[in-house]
Amino acid sequence: GDSVTQMEGPVTLSEEAFLTINCTYTATGYPSLFWYVQYPGEGLQLLLKATKADDKGSNKGFEATYRKETTSFHLEKGSVQVSDSAVYFCALSHNTDKLIFGTGTRLQVFP
Amino acid sequence: GAVVSQHPSWVICKSGTSVKIECRSLDFQATTMFWYRQFPKQSLMLMATSNEGSKATYEQGVEKDKFLINHASLTLSTLTVTSAHPEDSSFYICSARDRMRGHNEQFFGPGTRLTVL
Repeated sequence: GDSVTQMEGPVTLSEEAFLTINCTYTATGYPSLFWYVQYPGEGLQLLLKATKADDKGSNKGFEATYRKETTSFHLEKGSVQVSDSAVYFCALSHNTDKLIFGTGTRLQVFP
Repeated sequence: GAVVSQHPSWVICKSGTSVKIECRSLDFQATTMFWYRQFPKQSLMLMATSNEGSKATYEQGVEKDKFLINHASLTLSTLTVTSAHPEDSSFYICSARDRMRGHNEQFFGPGTRLTVL
């Protein structure tokens, strides 16, 4: 079945450091790929998405590129802030209702 | 736009009682709502998919009689945890799909933390 694998956290960074959170997937066909963010005490929010190979999703300084050849959708940000501290979830979905999530990666950014 | 609310945000109940959680789409019509469960430090696990006016579709391993789902209108779905036990303690999250948007756009509620004593 389809699945999403994320790097284990927590990821601990100093403010203004470069961030990469790895995400790889296993799926048939061409799923859409997502990154969701969950801030402390809040619900999930869609951060960015990509619907086809080589698409780059971007939002709030975060980027991720849909790499079909490596089945990856790594999340990157050039300079993190303390306010980026949250749990990040990679997810995939075909043209159905079902979102399949990775286990989440906690990011902690210190000043 | 595309706001989803949940009520209550947290609830504590005694073992054996039933608890109802509401999920509302505030500014759009949601033909489909989803219920997830999240354990500490783990991912969201889809419990069931709820379509307005029809029976919910449950994921494998989820007890239908334990987790009753009703989706009576385009803006409201409810999850009732019946005869709750401590192992039902978890964070329950709903999401809703906006019928005017694409298939894959789900908007999430803030979640409800259930603690069963």
